[in-house]
Amino acid sequence: EDKVVQSPLSLVVHEGDTVTLNCSYEVTNFRSLLWYKQEKKAPTFLFMLTSSGIEKKSGRLSSILDKKELFSILNITATQTGDSAVYLCAVGNHNDYKLSFGAGTTVTVRA
Amino acid sequence: GAVVSQHPSRVICKSGTSVKIECRSLDFQATTMFWYRQFPKQSLMLMATSNEGSKATYEQGVEKDKFLINHASLTLSTLTVTSAHPEDSSFYICSARTSGRSETQYFGPGTRLLVL
Repeated sequence: EDKVVQSPLSLVVHEGDTVTLNCSYEVTNFRSLLWYKQEKKAPTFLFMLTSSGIEKKSGRLSSILDKKELFSILNITATQTGDSAVYLCAVGNHNDYKLSFGAGTTVTVRA
Repeated sequence: GAVVSQHPSRVICKSGTSVKIECRSLDFQATTMFWYRQFPKQSLMLMATSNEGSKATYEQGVEKDKFLINHASLTLSTLTVTSAHPEDSSFYICSARTSGRSETQYFGPGTRLLVL
C-alpha cells in the first residue's frame, strides 16, 4: 500500500517568514508527486513533480523532488496571511491514475 | 482551464433520504472522475474511481450499493448517497482527470452533507 507522510502536521509563522514543508513517500512504481493547497473548500493544484532535482516555481512557492531519498519539499517565501491553508502532498503510480494523499500540513500565517 | 464544478455545495437532509451530488468538468473532457470524502481535520480518502461508460471501481470498505456512482458522459459524474444516515455526514469532493497520460486531478469545490 502506498504511503505518504507529511511533516510537520502544523506550524504557525509570522508574515514574511519562510516555511518548508516536507513530504516523504513509499510507493510501488512511482510516477509523480503532486502538491495541493486546500483552504475552506476543495484542493487547488500547485505543482506536479516527476523528475529529481528540477525545481518547480510559481511566485513565492517552489518545490523539488528527490527520487533517491523519496521525498519532496515545498517552500513558501515571504509568507502572507493568504498562504494560510492546509497543504496536501499526493503521489501517483504507474499502475493506475489514483492518488494517495498525505494527512496535510496546516500552515497558519499571522499578521 | 481545468475547471470542475460540483452541485449542490451544501445539503441538509433527513435520515433515510437519498442525496445526489453532481460533478461536472466545465472546460475539458474528463476520462476519469474520482470521488473522495473528507472528515474534519483529516485528509482525502478515495471512495471510488469512475470511468465514462463503465462501472465505477470502489475502494475497499466502500459500499457500492450505498454510494451509487454514474458516469454517463465525459463531463458529468454523479454520486448518490442512498438512505443517508448521520454517519454519512461529511465533505464529499470530486476530481477529474483529462484524457491522456496526465495524472493531475482537478478538484471540484466539494459538497458538505449533513444528515439529521
